[in-house]
Amino acid sequence: EPEVTQTPSHQVTQMGQEVILRCVPISNHLYFYWYRQILGQKVEFLVSFYNNEISEKSEIFDDQFSVERPDGSNFTLKIRSTKLEDSAMYFCASSEARGQGNSPLHFGNGTRLTVT
Amino acid sequence: DQQVKQNSPSLSVQEGRISILNCDYTNSMFDYFLWYKKYPAEGPTFLISISSIKDKNEDGRFTVFLNKSAKHLSLHIVPSQPGDSAVYFCAASAYGNEKLTFGTGTRLTIIP
Repeated sequence: EPEVTQTPSHQVTQMGQEVILRCVPISNHLYFYWYRQILGQKVEFLVSFYNNEISEKSEIFDDQFSVERPDGSNFTLKIRSTKLEDSAMYFCASSEARGQGNSPLHFGNGTRLTVT
Repeated sequence: DQQVKQNSPSLSVQEGRISILNCDYTNSMFDYFLWYKKYPAEGPTFLISISSIKDKNEDGRFTVFLNKSAKHLSLHIVPSQPGDSAVYFCAASAYGNEKLTFGTGTRLTIIP
């Protein structure tokens, strides 16, 4: 079964540094997402992306965050200047169609980001 | 923000018996509900979903029930198997809105 793959599985960075988390969504999927889960808390929506632009974003997704689909296969999340509170598991997801009724999200295994 | 709540952080069930996981929501704009299962070191995996126009959806051992008036849904797993041991997340979305709102999860342990 096709999978969403995320790299790296674990990223350690110092506060103030830039990080890029990478994802390869399922190849025929058109909608892409980033979610995160801070340890012990809920999985939270960050952003959705379709047709090379952001279609929806949460209040967490401020100017420090950006997303990009630099080529036909990769989908990246960049955090410009990391803070301690950005430490979390970041999940990439993709879906074939818009809206949960048409096709549910397929998640990758996540990147654990640790900011020291 | 507690729009989706799973009040039981953990549940233990004997193998072969029924597991019932519960979820409550507050946002009446939610019209689609999903259950995801998560093993350690993996991402959430879609399990089963239900639209607000239905009150039941069944897929093999898994059944989801929706009670719109009570804003409550439940996931029934029968019979429970050891491989069902995982964290189960309830999630919801509103029409026209792409984001999923997740509950905090319930850790299900199936006792052999």
